[in-house]
Amino acid sequence: DVKVTQSSRYLVKRTGEKVFLECVQDMDHENMFWYRQDPGLGLRLIYFSYDVKMKEKGDIPEGYSVSREKKERFSLILESASTNQTSMYLCASSFRLGVGNQPQHFGDGTRLSIL
Amino acid sequence: SQQGEEDPQALSIQEGENATMNCSYKTSINNLQWYRQNSGRGLVHLILIRSNEREKHSGRLRVTLDTSKKSSSLLITASRAADTASYFCATDPLSGGGADGLTFGKGTHLIIQP
Repeated sequence: DVKVTQSSRYLVKRTGEKVFLECVQDMDHENMFWYRQDPGLGLRLIYFSYDVKMKEKGDIPEGYSVSREKKERFSLILESASTNQTSMYLCASSFRLGVGNQPQHFGDGTRLSIL
Repeated sequence: SQQGEEDPQALSIQEGENATMNCSYKTSINNLQWYRQNSGRGLVHLILIRSNEREKHSGRLRVTLDTSKKSSSLLITASRAADTASYFCATDPLSGGGADGLTFGKGTHLIIQP
């Protein structure tokens, strides 16, 4: 079974802190994604990566950055956390096979609270 | 931007009944996928239907796709309490190159009453 592991289930940080959310997958997937999920807004794509050291902006990249130094690991960075970044963060990965997005495998999420 | 829109937003039925959820989208797609999310957990992929397919089955799940109406439906037959979850449709836009990410709807929250 594919396993996508997010480093923390719950995290509490303070405004202005630099926050790192880590995600590791064990299926040699090329693609990795970071989403945030908010009530009434559904899932929104923050950043994605289709290869090591490659990154692409999603729909809501402002206030975030990412790092992919190894194929299995994709990190989301909140440069200076703000209260409006309190949310559930979901990491996902998938194969890159021809045209079209393959099924994505999700981690269990990190519920981040910024105080 | 959000493309898939599920309907209804919430659905409550008795155990053993069938549950039907609908999804509408706006642009041409490569495929459409359905996911389930249990409370406080990540999403789990259920089924993928390609743009040239009209119907697909997986166990108690039946998915239909009507590209002319830009809509899809997910039917869960003989529902069980364990089916209680949120269900999301996700579209893979035709313009994408295979790694642009899916566009998720806001989900249908399904409650199965025992």
